[in-house]
Amino acid sequence: EIVLTQSPGTLSLSPGEGATLSCRATQIVNSGYLAWYQQRPGQSPRLLIYDTSTRATGIPDKFSGSGSGTDFTLTISSLEPDDSAVYYCQQYGIPPLTFGQGTKVEIK
Amino acid sequence: EVQLLESGGGLVQPGGSLRLSCAASGFMFGSHAFSWVRQAPGKGLEWVAAISGSGLTTYYSDSVKGRFTISRDDSKNTLYLEMNSLSAGDTAVYYCARISMIVILIAPNDFWGQGTLVTVSS
Repeated sequence: EIVLTQSPGTLSLSPGEGATLSCRATQIVNSGYLAWYQQRPGQSPRLLIYDTSTRATGIPDKFSGSGSGTDFTLTISSLEPDDSAVYYCQQYGIPPLTFGQGTKVEIK
Repeated sequence: EVQLLESGGGLVQPGGSLRLSCAASGFMFGSHAFSWVRQAPGKGLEWVAAISGSGLTTYYSDSVKGRFTISRDDSKNTLYLEMNSLSAGDTAVYYCARISMIVILIAPNDFWGQGTLVTVSS
């Protein structure tokens, strides 16, 4: 099983700042099949990024993904209050499909 | 409009069974694989199971293998999760999630339902 470890656990940032979230896998993620999801409080998860770096439909370009192999990054620019959420990475290349434990982004 | 509506959650005693349903609308049901993902109270997301568009391929997490069964009825545009031998550790909100393609292992979950709460307690 591929274990995904996200860091940091919590990010507390001010509006306008940028955020860098990390997702590290215990083995190579097949063909870069790595996605990022946003879950706002009380809501269902929403797909942000898939295939490491492709934005999902309707996702603004302030969200960007990068990485390869075992190390992946979600970058959020110009943070707004609406970006307060927990962000999860998921690999969907090798079963069992797995999620990271999440990074909580707080906007001060 | 894509819609996924889960139902069937509720309170069940340890050792009991429950069947969750996910009614889909607004897209070609048969052209997509699906997942079930759960979230224990205050915890992160845990992938549970997935089924291909044909229904011939299924995958399960080790924590539910042998106890849960994922299935689909394309004539009813409905996804199911049959859950047996439930324990307190299965208490969670269960989400139905569409996979963006007909196969499981090359595509993400591109749309999620609102979830249904399963509580296992005596």
